Order: sequence, then structure tokens, then C-alpha cells
Amino acid sequence: GAVVSQHPSRVICKSGTSVKIECRSLDFQATTMFWYRQFPKQSLMLMATSNEGSKATYEQGVEKDKFLINHASLTLSTLTVTSAHPEDSSFYICSARGGGNSNSPLHFGNGTRLTVT
Amino acid sequence: SQKIEQNSEALNIQEGKTATLTCNYTNYSPAYLQWYRQDPGRGPVFLLLIRENEKEKRKERLKVTFDTTLKQSLFHITASQPADSATYLCALGGVDSSYKLIFGSGTRLLVRP
Repeated sequence: GAVVSQHPSRVICKSGTSVKIECRSLDFQATTMFWYRQFPKQSLMLMATSNEGSKATYEQGVEKDKFLINHASLTLSTLTVTSAHPEDSSFYICSARGGGNSNSPLHFGNGTRLTVT
Repeated sequence: SQKIEQNSEALNIQEGKTATLTCNYTNYSPAYLQWYRQDPGRGPVFLLLIRENEKEKRKERLKVTFDTTLKQSLFHITASQPADSATYLCALGGVDSSYKLIFGSGTRLLVRP
């Protein structure tokens, strides 16, 4: 089955530094990947849609200059949290569609727990 | 306003019983609905898809219903096992022209041995 690998699984960084999270589709090509953020006991909130070879589409209220997304190949998307602050501490999860249909299920990475001190 | 509601209280049941989880939505017209399982500290895993023109879908011990009039989906796990303990998320798709999925906040299921 389709596998999405996300790294790192955990990262602790100091306030003001930047953190890069990688999301790879291991056995399929993903022209579109999605980045979510999840707070404890809350829903997955879509942050942005990452499109291979073009600019990401950000959801309302998400700062594109703070959350930089790059989708340079059909198997890799990266999310960089720039100048991180404690309020950016959260669980970040990427996903990709395994099939070409719009209703194909999403395959998720195992998430990255970001803690900003 | 648009809303997806799943019971925020945990559902606690005895092993062997049927677990029923509810997903209600307002001000959406989804083309399909999906259910996912999420374990602590992990990404969600896809379970079932049901389209707007389908009333019911089954997969092994899982059953999903979709009532577009009531704007509700029910998710059933029959003969529940402790290994079924997890958080279950419903997600609406096709709510606009994009490929986005909108997730509910999930319901935690605890199956007691």
C-alpha cells in the first residue's frame, strides 16, 4: 500500500530558530500533498496544499512567510517553520492521495511533534 | 456556519459489544465521507469511504451509514476488541471544487477487556 514517510518524528528547538519537516511518498508519486496541524484533542486543521512544481495554496489565516512549503519533486514536500515561537508548538502531519480520484483516501505520515522552547 | 461534530466524550464499551460513533455536519454538502483511525502520536489511517449516493458500506467488522437528509454518518464496529481502542475521525470531501478533506475532531473509543 501507499506509504508516506515523515521526518523528524520529534524536534525541540529554541525560539527564533527555523525547523524543516520532510514528507516523502515512498512507493507512489504525489503531485499534491497536504499539511495539517493538530492540537491535543482537536481536529486536524488543514494548513496548506502543496503542489509539485508550483506554489502552495495556503488556508485562510495561515502565514505563508512563516510556514514555507516546497514541493520540488513528485515524492518530496517540505514544511519549514521559520522563526519558531512557543505558540508554534504542535503536531504537524503531512498526507498525500494514493490514487488519482478526488475521493481517494489520504495516506498520512506519522507526524512531527514540534516543541519550541 | 459550517460545522462537523463528533462526540468529544470518550465512548467506553465492553469487549464484544458494538461501538457506534456519530458524525454530524451542518452547512456542508459533501460528495463523500471518509472515516479514519488515529492512534496516539500517529497519523490517521484510512478505514472506509462512502459516497453521497450510498446508504451503507461494510468492511469486515466495520459498517458506515450516510444520511444526507439528516446530515449524519454513523460508524459501527461490531464484536469490538481492545485493539479497536483509538480515536476515530470523520472527514468530509468534495465540499468544494478542491481535493480538500475537512476533518471532525474525532471520538475516542475505549474497549474494555
